[in-house]
Amino acid sequence: EIVLTQSPGTLSLSPGERATLSCRASQSVSSSYLAWYQQKPGQAPRLLIYGASSRATGIPDRFSGSGSGTDFTLTISRLEPEDFAVYYCQQYGSSPQITFGQGTRLEIK
Amino acid sequence: QVQLVQSGSELKKPGASVKVSCKASGYTFTSYAMNWVRQAPGQGLEWMGWINTNTGNPTYAQGFTGRFVFSLDTSVSTAYLQISSLKAEDTAVYYCARETLGDFDYWGQGTLVTVSS
Repeated sequence: EIVLTQSPGTLSLSPGERATLSCRASQSVSSSYLAWYQQKPGQAPRLLIYGASSRATGIPDRFSGSGSGTDFTLTISRLEPEDFAVYYCQQYGSSPQITFGQGTRLEIK
Repeated sequence: QVQLVQSGSELKKPGASVKVSCKASGYTFTSYAMNWVRQAPGQGLEWMGWINTNTGNPTYAQGFTGRFVFSLDTSVSTAYLQISSLKAEDTAVYYCARETLGDFDYWGQGTLVTVSS
């Protein structure tokens, strides 16, 4: 089973700052199958990034994804108030097919 | 536009069963797999498995075999999750999610299932 470990668990930043979120896999993950989601309280997750670096429809360009192999990063270039939420990475691959990281909470400092 | 609309919250007693529906619209239902994801209170996302909307063949993740059943009614573009012999630890929000090449591009709004005596 591929385990995804996200760090930090909580990130405290101010609007306008840059956020860097990490997702590390226990085994190599195909870049085609690494995604990032944003979840706000009481809402369903929203797809931000797929294929490690492609933005989903309607996602602002301040969100970017990068990485390969076992190390992946979600970067938010300049935080807007609406960006404070929980972020999850997710991989699709060998059985069990799909796993999520435990999440990073991005909170206002 | 693509929408996944789930059935409403449920309050069930331990040992009972529940069936959650997920009605799809705005796309060809049988062109995309449907997945189910659980989120326990205050916890992260847990993948439960998926169902092939063409064949109806389900695949269950580890920990979701036996009491969990995925099914379809393609005539009304709806996927179902049935959980039997409910336990307190089944209390969670259950999401359906459309899968596109391994990621989930559309999600239902979630259905809260509460198991309490």
